[in-house]
Amino acid sequence: SAVISQKPSRDICQRGTSLTIQCQVDSQVTMMFWYRQQPGQSLTLIATANQGSEATYESGFVIDKFPISRPNLTFSTLTVSNMSPEDSSIYLCSGQYYNEQFFGPGTRLTVL
Amino acid sequence: AQKITQTQPGMFVQEKEAVTLDCTYDTSDPSYGLFWYKQPSSGEMIFLIYQGSYDQQNATEGRYSLNFQKARKSANLVISASQLGDSAMYFCAMREGRSNRLAFGKGNQVVVIP
Repeated sequence: SAVISQKPSRDICQRGTSLTIQCQVDSQVTMMFWYRQQPGQSLTLIATANQGSEATYESGFVIDKFPISRPNLTFSTLTVSNMSPEDSSIYLCSGQYYNEQFFGPGTRLTVL
Repeated sequence: AQKITQTQPGMFVQEKEAVTLDCTYDTSDPSYGLFWYKQPSSGEMIFLIYQGSYDQQNATEGRYSLNFQKARKSANLVISASQLGDSAMYFCAMREGRSNRLAFGKGNQVVVIP
C-alpha cells in the first residue's frame, strides 16, 4: 500500500486568513487528489493535483479559493484562502497506486 | 444522479458476528472500480478493499470480503467476526474508467457492541 502523510493534522484559524496543507506521498503513487469532507457529510473531490501544471478543479471549486501546487511527483500543497466558518472541514490528500486509492490522515480545520 | 447508494441506517452489531453493508452503484461505463473505506472517529480514511469490474472473483482482504453482483450493480461489504475496533463509518466509492475521481456514498455507521 502507498504511504501518505499530511500536515498539519488539525488547526483552528481565524476568519479571513489562509492555511496551507502539505501532503507527501511515496514514489509509487501516480495521481494525487485533494478531497473535502464537511461535517457529517461524505467526501467531495476538490481537484486533481497535476505535476508542474495547474490543478484540475471540480465544479464548485476555484483556484483562487483553493490554490494547489504539485512541484514534483511526491509532494503537493492545498491552500484554503480567505477562510470562513463554512470552510470548516476535514481536508484529505489522496494518492492512486495502481488501481487502488489511499488517503492521508486528513487535516481537521476549524474556522472561527 | 446518485452514483453510489448506501441506504442502511446506523447498525449495531454483536462482537464476533458478521455484518453486511449494502452498496449499489449506477454507471454505464463497462470499466469501473469499486472501493470500500473505513473512517473511525479520528477522521482518517482507511482503504479496505477494491473490486474491478472485470475481476472474475470477489475480492477478499482478511476479514473483509466484497460480494460483487455485477448484474444487480451491487457491491456489498461483508465483515466477518466483528471486533470492537470495527466501529466506524464505512464508505462505498466508485471510480469510472474514464474518470480519475472517486464518487462516494453517504456512508454506513457501524457500532460493534460487546
